[in-house]
Amino acid sequence: GEDVEQSLFLSVREGDSSVINCTYTDSSSTYLYWYKQEPGAGLQLLTYIFSNMDMKQDQRLTVLLNKKDKHLSLRIADTQTGDSAIYFCAEMTGGYQKVTFGIGTKLQVIP
Amino acid sequence: DADVTQTPRNRITKTGKRIMLECSQTKGHDRMYWYRQDPGLGLQLIYYSFDVKDINKGEISDGYSVSRQAQAKFSLSLESAIPNQTALYFCATSSSGGRNEQFFGPGTRLTVL
Repeated sequence: GEDVEQSLFLSVREGDSSVINCTYTDSSSTYLYWYKQEPGAGLQLLTYIFSNMDMKQDQRLTVLLNKKDKHLSLRIADTQTGDSAIYFCAEMTGGYQKVTFGIGTKLQVIP
Repeated sequence: DADVTQTPRNRITKTGKRIMLECSQTKGHDRMYWYRQDPGLGLQLIYYSFDVKDINKGEISDGYSVSRQAQAKFSLSLESAIPNQTALYFCATSSSGGRNEQFFGPGTRLTVL
């Protein structure tokens, strides 16, 4: 079955890089996502990676996918206070494109 | 204007009351979802609908029901609310195919006393 795991909390200093990690169990995942939830708001897609890719870079964001270990990571370079939020890892599996979310990692950026 | 709207945004009710949460979208998407969010549990899928005539149970459908009144509207009902249904509820939409990006509403904070 599908299961997505990630740590609950990460604290970094402003200007440092943040790395948020996620593991998943379903080897048939087609897309893997990172969603961002700011306080008082719904989730918003931050970035995604297709399962046949190893890496995707988008400005300050780098997504790394290790399919062998079923490990996904999100690196945020030059972390800013505006990056403080909860980050959800998610995977899409199955013929009907089910999306399973992790519990979310709360990123705290210290000025 | 927001693409996915939810009403009400906040609701306090008592045990045993019937509650309806409403969701509307202007994105023209065929798929709609209801999730609940609890601290430390992440998002759990309650119900999902891939079109007006298609309704499916998610992971935690017990105690909930839904109605897809139109392509743009998907409502969630708690027939007899209980305190452990106190949570943040999100509606989301997506189009079929492709990367299935989900677009979320702002959430409804429900408190059952």
